Amino acid sequence: DTGVSQNPRHKITKRGQNVTFRCDPISEHNRLYWYRQTLGQGPEFLTYFQNEAQLEKSRLLSDRFSAERPKGSFSTLEIQRTEQGDSAMYLCASSATTPTQYFGPGTRLLVL
Amino acid sequence: AQTVTQSQPEMSVQEAETVTLSCTYDTSESDYYLFWYKQPPSRQMILVIRQEAYKQQNATENRFSVNFQKAAKSFSLKISDSQLGDAAMYFCACVGGADGLTFGKGTHLIIQP
Repeated sequence: DTGVSQNPRHKITKRGQNVTFRCDPISEHNRLYWYRQTLGQGPEFLTYFQNEAQLEKSRLLSDRFSAERPKGSFSTLEIQRTEQGDSAMYLCASSATTPTQYFGPGTRLLVL
Repeated sequence: AQTVTQSQPEMSVQEAETVTLSCTYDTSESDYYLFWYKQPPSRQMILVIRQEAYKQQNATENRFSVNFQKAAKSFSLKISDSQLGDAAMYFCACVGGADGLTFGKGTHLIIQP
């Protein structure tokens, strides 16, 4: 059990560029979650998958945000046309059949 | 839907002493779970303790215990024998079923040597 991993750990981009983050959940965890955490705040839930099905996406922040989990294993979160307000830590978590979620180290995004 | 409130932005405690972090919540779910997570500086979120709402007994994990008052919608975390490694942001969170967690704003815990 290697835990939840996220790549890259840090990303610096220019406003208007697209970025993609990857999350690899704990093996055999069928649920995968994405959160955004801004400075001084608790994480904010964005979306989640059960296997390859995206069961909640109404809380994605705008239509510039999208997520996929094509084979029910790793997931990607893409932000198109980044804005300075997108600068934050993006966290991924996974869980098995219980509600307990285990978090990865996060990807810190800075939009210049 | 859930809301979680942590009213203590910062707490300080002497090493080896006991500290209690407060959390109140609200939820429309009848079946829900409560968590405390720890986030050290620049490090990842770590699960500290979990409480199933249907269980009356308060959860305990070594030096960490909770005081779960379901009627009052209160879920406080007690840390006994505080250690320097306990210094971190502590987040209270609530979830109903398989949905995403709802977090409070966190409490910054400082351990004084």
